[in-house]
Amino acid sequence: GIQVEQSPPDLILQEGANSTLRCNFSDSVNNLQWFHQNPWGQLINLFYIPSGTKQNGRLSATTVATERYSLLYISSSQTTDSGVYFCAVGISSGSARQLTFGSGTQLTVLP
Amino acid sequence: NAGVTQTPKFRVLKTGQSMTLLCAQDMNHEYMYWYRQDPGMGLRLIHYSVGEGTTAKGEVPDGYNVSRLKKQNFLLGLESAAPSQTSVYFCASLGREFRGNRRVCFGPGTRLTVL
Repeated sequence: GIQVEQSPPDLILQEGANSTLRCNFSDSVNNLQWFHQNPWGQLINLFYIPSGTKQNGRLSATTVATERYSLLYISSSQTTDSGVYFCAVGISSGSARQLTFGSGTQLTVLP
Repeated sequence: NAGVTQTPKFRVLKTGQSMTLLCAQDMNHEYMYWYRQDPGMGLRLIHYSVGEGTTAKGEVPDGYNVSRLKKQNFLLGLESAAPSQTSVYFCASLGREFRGNRRVCFGPGTRLTVL
């Protein structure tokens, strides 16, 4: 199956700093999503971004499908950005719509 | 809309007991999924469904069964629980693309402990 690798596995930042999280995947995809899992375990969908660039406030994401990677940018980080960020990718095979998750990046933002 | 809901939120079982986890979504989504999350291992797909009356195996299906008798509900069953099934279980749903978005929505999770 498709392989999804996220880097770095852990990231510690001071409040106000910027960061870039990376997601590499091993095959062509038609679905790529970024999620934030907060310290209470809730998974929040940040972006649906199989290609191109999107921005939502301090967060933006870029997927270069031809080169099989996606980047999540966090600017002016806040303590509430702490948690685990997951990349998930999907391929269309018949009627299947499976998403495969990476192992995540644990982000800690210090006050 | 309530989105995706899961019942129960917490459960403790003894080895060999059975239970059913219920997932419900009110967004008329076609696809539904059950994932488990273990420390340091991300989310792994257990079973999924592409529509009412259909189910398929995911990455880690052994020891679990599922049913999708109604479009809005997706049930995950453990017939004989084992300590290795201690995990947090997430249900998710996915609908058709709408205005350039095709987002997966997750439920709040069920924390299961098998003693």
